[in-house]
Amino acid sequence: EAGVTQSPTHLIKTRGQQATLRCSPISGHTSVYWYQQALGLGLQFLLWYDEGEERNRGNFPPRFSGRQFPNYSSELNVNALELEDSALYLCASSSSIGRTDTQYFGPGTRLTVL
Amino acid sequence: SQQGEEDPQALSIQEGENATMNCSYKTSINNLQWYRQNSGRGLVHLILIRSNEREKHSGRLRVTLDTSKKSSSLLITASRAADTASYFCATVASGSRLTFGEGTQLTVNP
Repeated sequence: EAGVTQSPTHLIKTRGQQATLRCSPISGHTSVYWYQQALGLGLQFLLWYDEGEERNRGNFPPRFSGRQFPNYSSELNVNALELEDSALYLCASSSSIGRTDTQYFGPGTRLTVL
Repeated sequence: SQQGEEDPQALSIQEGENATMNCSYKTSINNLQWYRQNSGRGLVHLILIRSNEREKHSGRLRVTLDTSKKSSSLLITASRAADTASYFCATVASGSRLTFGEGTQLTVNP
């Protein structure tokens, strides 16, 4: 069974540009989560999607947005990139809305903003 | 800000020794999970312990949870060089979001 996949592996953008990151969950998982791991800030929750709907959002500005497609894959969009957006972006999936389910993580997309 | 706090921040041991990492959190939780991360890559789920459980084992891993003290510990027995990684605790309180601690960097020397 394939795990969570993310693309691209690395992404280099300049300040002010837009970045699009993609995630495919484990087959059968309906929930997708996005986390940011920035140097010195640790792992922070960004967004949670389930059944195509945004269920929860972390403390990030509106220029961080995303969506979930009918096949449960997801995109994270970051507009008007700032230098501090440079980070490892991790996607995770789980099998239900249930609060006790394990989240399985992908390898991440490393975004560098120059 | 991170709810969880791992202690110690860094731990260096010899192969074969046991490694113990601690995690504290601040709010009521549904469950607590431990993850491993190798060199800034994706997180690997290690073990989940529910709020009504006190201890759980998985291979060389032993996790304890004390909800009265809002703390958890992860014990890795008979450590190997391949255990070198960062270890994070993460709590689930509401909304299914994981709240991570700062992590413990474990180095196992051959």
